[in-house]
Amino acid sequence: QVQLVQSGAEVKKPGSSVKVSCKAPGGTFNSYTINWVRQAPGQGLEWMGRILPFLGVTDYAQEFQGRVTIIVDKLTSTAYMELSGLKSDDTAVYFCARGYSNYQEVFDYWGQGTLVTVSS
Amino acid sequence: IQLTQSPSSLSASVGDRVTITCRASQGISSDLAWYQQKPGKAPRLLIYDASTLQSGVPSRFSGSGSGTDFTLTISSLQPEDFATYYCQQFKSSPYSFGQGTKLDIK
Repeated sequence: QVQLVQSGAEVKKPGSSVKVSCKAPGGTFNSYTINWVRQAPGQGLEWMGRILPFLGVTDYAQEFQGRVTIIVDKLTSTAYMELSGLKSDDTAVYFCARGYSNYQEVFDYWGQGTLVTVSS
Repeated sequence: IQLTQSPSSLSASVGDRVTITCRASQGISSDLAWYQQKPGKAPRLLIYDASTLQSGVPSRFSGSGSGTDFTLTISSLQPEDFATYYCQQFKSSPYSFGQGTKLDIK
């Protein structure tokens, strides 16, 4: 069973940044994309962006362009999502999710989620 | 690409057959997936390519459709099926989700 293990909950001030980690099994980044999806309290799912580590390419949703950065550390098999310029409506659970085999834009394994609370 | 699910919520009983629809704002061929999410948990992939069942998903789940109109059907509801269901298009970035359909017990 593939496990993606995310870092713990964070509380941040408006205007600051948050960096969430997602540790994957070794070798994941050779073949699979890592995506980030967020879910505000009581709301639906919102795709933020992804990284294709095997190509060194990222793809971000327009809404987050300029504020989000997704990177991977292949040595530690860990992906990171950093979101800057935090606002109260960035309060959400942030999930990492692996792209599925031949359908890399479909997500078969997910992290447990990381709650980010933005509050003054 | 906008995805609109209907209904937004649905009450049903164990053993019922239920259908959830997802309409795309433009044609997406069969590039649609369905996920199930329970409270406090990550989503679970059920179906991709509009109708292909993910490994380990019970056969009471089925999907159909292409172009702009899609359906998820649960043939005989089980207690563990009460959850929120999301469609997702993977035709083009950003890979958007529907707003969700909450299925609860009547």
